[in-house]
Amino acid sequence: QVQLQESGPGLVKPSETLSLTCTVSGGSISGYYWSWIRQPPGKGLEWIGYIYYSGSTNQNPSLKSRLTISVDTSKNQFSLKLSSVTAADTAVYYCARGTSGAVAGNLGYWGQGTLVTVSS
Amino acid sequence: EIVLTQSPGTLSLSPGERATLSCRASQSVSSSYLAWYQQKPGQAPRLLIYGVSTRATGIPDRFSGSGSGTDFTLTISRLEPEDFAVYYCQQYGSSPHTFGQGTKLQIK
Repeated sequence: QVQLQESGPGLVKPSETLSLTCTVSGGSISGYYWSWIRQPPGKGLEWIGYIYYSGSTNQNPSLKSRLTISVDTSKNQFSLKLSSVTAADTAVYYCARGTSGAVAGNLGYWGQGTLVTVSS
Repeated sequence: EIVLTQSPGTLSLSPGERATLSCRASQSVSSSYLAWYQQKPGQAPRLLIYGVSTRATGIPDRFSGSGSGTDFTLTISRLEPEDFAVYYCQQYGSSPHTFGQGTKLQIK
């Protein structure tokens, strides 16, 4: 059973860069799309973007200028970097994977989520 | 960007009743790439339905999805106590992928 685990700082200062890593266990990162989703406290879900194991990405245009998603197949990890953060970036960040390798949606596997707070 | 509008915002029902949740898209959803998720407080979302009507692994058959084009429905035939949660629809046929704002299903 594939498992995902987010890791990274829980507190980031305004204007700095938010960096998170998702470690995949119980299966290979190869052959799948890997996604990031976030959820501000008390609000709904926002799609951030995804990366294919080969490195191709698709990112939310609203974040694209600040966003980098990368993959390290040797470590079975993928990562998110969001620059110039503000309080509006405070959210629970989830990593996720689709149920099949054919599509990037239908997110059947999720990490537990990690709360990142942007505050000085 | 495809905007998904879910209704109602809150639905109050009793265990044993039937729940009907709606998700309307601002444009046709490509390739029927429409999914439904359930989220309970403090938990990650759980995939219920994908491809409009395919139940994910382990999802009880009281959950069903239907619809096409721009109008989609999640039906829970007989509510169990554990079904009271927030439900989100998601389209993943066009970029950016988008979620609806959610429907909160609460006990009446």
